[in-house]
Amino acid sequence: DQQVKQNSPSLSVQEGRISILNCDYTNSMFDYFLWYKKYPAEGPTFLISISSIKDKNEDGRFTVFLNKSAKHLSLHIVPSQPGDSAVYFCAASAGGAQKLVFGQGTRLTINP
Amino acid sequence: NAGVTQTPKFQVLKTGQSMTLQCAQDMNHNSMYWYRQDPGMGLRLIYYSASEGTTDKGEVPNGYNVSRLNKREFSLRLESAAPSQTSVYFCASSEWTFGENEKLFFGSGTQLSVL
Repeated sequence: DQQVKQNSPSLSVQEGRISILNCDYTNSMFDYFLWYKKYPAEGPTFLISISSIKDKNEDGRFTVFLNKSAKHLSLHIVPSQPGDSAVYFCAASAGGAQKLVFGQGTRLTINP
Repeated sequence: NAGVTQTPKFQVLKTGQSMTLQCAQDMNHNSMYWYRQDPGMGLRLIYYSASEGTTDKGEVPNGYNVSRLNKREFSLRLESAAPSQTSVYFCASSEWTFGENEKLFFGSGTQLSVL
């Protein structure tokens, strides 16, 4: 029973356009959500997070949106750059880093 | 500026062999974690150590043991490796386990194959 799902295994976007990565969750107790980015042969690195008391958080080209009623999280990257090509994991927690639940990941490819 | 360092990067074992994966962090973090990543399954927590001297099971602890050697080091041991333990293993650390803004810092991973 996967509590955090990323239903798109891969996404291809043209350079300069918007990339939208989606994540759905089932546990209404989740109160903190994060996105991690992973390059090949490297560990995941933290990208952006959002608390359940907010519906939007922005950091430069990256914006995370949270729709609690739909139990849906999305990451927008604008504009997309070749260096954004990576695997993106969403994660959610119901209290503490030891309770983080990760999605399966979405491989984003930015085409020149 | 090493962050989280894992060794080895690659390992091939035969079924039944044992090995220890090493992890060290230089960020003075209190909490450390071991995850495994399998295709189509995301990262799953094996064990974690909330602080020096404590360890707790995560989602998939069977077949593994851990040791928090000191504040910096957290090792993962496979006593009798099985093909189902073929995976990529990541060590991670955070300042604490609790708190809204806790972020994990990951090592670069160990690719383990059990034949």
